[in-house]
Amino acid sequence: DIQMTQSPSSLSASVGDRVTITCRASQSISRYLNWYQQKPGKAPMLLISTTSSLQGGVPSRFGGSGSGTDFTLTISSLQPEDFAAYYCQQSYNTPWTFGQGTKVEIK
Amino acid sequence: EVQLLESGGGLVQPGGSLRLSCAASGFTFSNYAMAWVRQAPGKGLEWVSSISGSGGNTPYADSVKGRCTISRDNSKNTVYLQMNSLRAEDTAVYYCAKGDSYVSSSTFDLWGRGALVTVSS
Repeated sequence: DIQMTQSPSSLSASVGDRVTITCRASQSISRYLNWYQQKPGKAPMLLISTTSSLQGGVPSRFGGSGSGTDFTLTISSLQPEDFAAYYCQQSYNTPWTFGQGTKVEIK
Repeated sequence: EVQLLESGGGLVQPGGSLRLSCAASGFTFSNYAMAWVRQAPGKGLEWVSSISGSGGNTPYADSVKGRCTISRDNSKNTVYLQMNSLRAEDTAVYYCAKGDSYVSSSTFDLWGRGALVTVSS
């Protein structure tokens, strides 16, 4: 199975900050990497697919990059509605696996 | 409106069985693979199983293989998860999720609100 490791596990940031979350795969997954956002008590929501394809309705302050084993989710200017947990997920092969999550909290 | 609505969750004793249902609306259900993803209390996301649009391809996570069966009824726009021999570690919110293609559910682009399954005596 492909192991996905996110860092950090949590971070505190202020509105307007630039935030970067990293995700590392235990083997190369090309660009088959998705990002999800989950707010407390809610279902996850797909933000970015295939490393960098922003889903419809997702603000342009969200961006994704990377390939192979190392990937990044960047929020260019953190907004109040962005405080949530973020998960990466490899879509390279089954079993589909997720990172352990990164909780973005208000500083 | 495009949505997924899970039902069938609840409290079950260890060793018991439960069947979750997920009713889809707002899209052509038979054109897409579907999946179940679970989240234990305070934990991260774990893929459980997927089913292709035709129902012919049904991979499972090792943690549930042999105990769970995924199925779908395209005439009812519904996907199911039959769970048997339930264990305490199966306690979780179970999300139904839509895949982004007919064959594979590798990317989950629509999620239901979830159904809580609690396994306890």
